[in-house]
Amino acid sequence: RKEVEQDPGPFNVPEGATVAFNCTYSNSASQSFFWYRQDCRKEPKLLMSVYSSGNEDGRFTAQLNRASQYISLLIRDSKLSDSATYLCVVNMDTGRRALTFGSGTRLQVQP
Amino acid sequence: NAGVTQTPKFQVLKTGQSMTLQCAQDMNHEYMSWYRQDPGMGLRLIHYSVGAGITDQGEVPNGYNVSRSTTEDFPLRLLSAAPSQTSVYFCASSYSQWATINEQFFGPGTRLTVL
Repeated sequence: RKEVEQDPGPFNVPEGATVAFNCTYSNSASQSFFWYRQDCRKEPKLLMSVYSSGNEDGRFTAQLNRASQYISLLIRDSKLSDSATYLCVVNMDTGRRALTFGSGTRLQVQP
Repeated sequence: NAGVTQTPKFQVLKTGQSMTLQCAQDMNHEYMSWYRQDPGMGLRLIHYSVGAGITDQGEVPNGYNVSRSTTEDFPLRLLSAAPSQTSVYFCASSYSQWATINEQFFGPGTRLTVL
């Protein structure tokens, strides 16, 4: 079982749609959670951190469910520019002081 | 600020050749790391450094060496290239050794093909 699992997609949605991605993680001791965005053939960039109480940044909402060990990302009113791969990233707290990346979920927003 | 820079952008090697991927950052970040990204696998940590003179192994260190003689530079050396090392390599840095708390900044990547 992968340590961080994501549905690879692709998710094909029309402009204006609401889309949600889920990510599950295996280590219940995990401390920190993030969503990164990666455009085609580019480097990953931080989209948002995920806090226990849930957090929102404009059209993006991230939530954490520690009991079920998953995090989610909701994108409202999708734009063409949201087309990218979204990486779920977790600090597994293994003492390695590094992040564990999911393999990503690809989103394609269509006109 | 240039941020995190990597050279070269593309490289083709023959099996058995050695080479060094360069990484530099101008943000005075303590923490630097190298990842490889393969289709369907996500980014996997190769080596990391929490400061000049300190390096440690990540998830997939075999076949790679690193050193950190300055805060700014963190080169990755392939000792004897193998086709299994064909991948996209990303260097990343963050402000603190507690990398999992701070945002990681990635370089643009090096696309390596080993024939």
